[in-house]
Amino acid sequence: AQSVTQLDSHVSVSEGTPVLLRCNYSSSYSPSLFWYVQHPNKGLQLLLKYTSAATLVKGINGFEAEFKKSETSFHLTKPSAHMSDAAEYFCVVSDGSWGKLQFGAGTQVVVTP
Amino acid sequence: DGGITQSPKYLFRKEGQNVTLSCEQNLNHDAMYWYRQDPGQGLRLIYYSQIVNDFQKGDIAEGYSVSREKKESFPLTVTSAQKNPTAFYLCASSQQGSSTDTQYFGPGTRLTVL
Repeated sequence: AQSVTQLDSHVSVSEGTPVLLRCNYSSSYSPSLFWYVQHPNKGLQLLLKYTSAATLVKGINGFEAEFKKSETSFHLTKPSAHMSDAAEYFCVVSDGSWGKLQFGAGTQVVVTP
Repeated sequence: DGGITQSPKYLFRKEGQNVTLSCEQNLNHDAMYWYRQDPGQGLRLIYYSQIVNDFQKGDIAEGYSVSREKKESFPLTVTSAQKNPTAFYLCASSQQGSSTDTQYFGPGTRLTVL
């Protein structure tokens, strides 16, 4: 069975400082891993995904994530936060024979001026 | 523009009524999904369909029904049997429904039961 744990429900950062969102997963197979972002009352937008190629994945808007199999982690980072990064972020795992996704509970990011 | 549309954006329902949420995609994707989102929780899968005229229950299918008569459409009906239907509903689609496929999401429908 697959599962995802987002270690922080809320993260507050100052504009221009680094962002770190932590995600641990468990999976019976070689997983695909995703990070999605959701702005209030909107759908989810894909930031990046890992599908067993390079372990350091670069996404949109300056985000990147590193897949660490030994630590079963897929943490999301950005060197410098922007006000527009304020949103909810979901770590997602997919494994098995079809596209069933398991979502983490989400991390709410607040960016202060 | 290719994408997924959901309508309406906001929906209000009286207790005991059935309502149908629309989801349409023009991405030519085979697979479509319905999720429910509650505050402070991640998304939970209601139903999914990997091909026209076929669909499967997800983790929380009770009180919901779907149809997949056309490739581009996957409407969700919230029936009166759903005990707590107030939530944000998201539709998604993916190319083939494999584990490496990206799922693309619509803008969502917020359902409120009065």
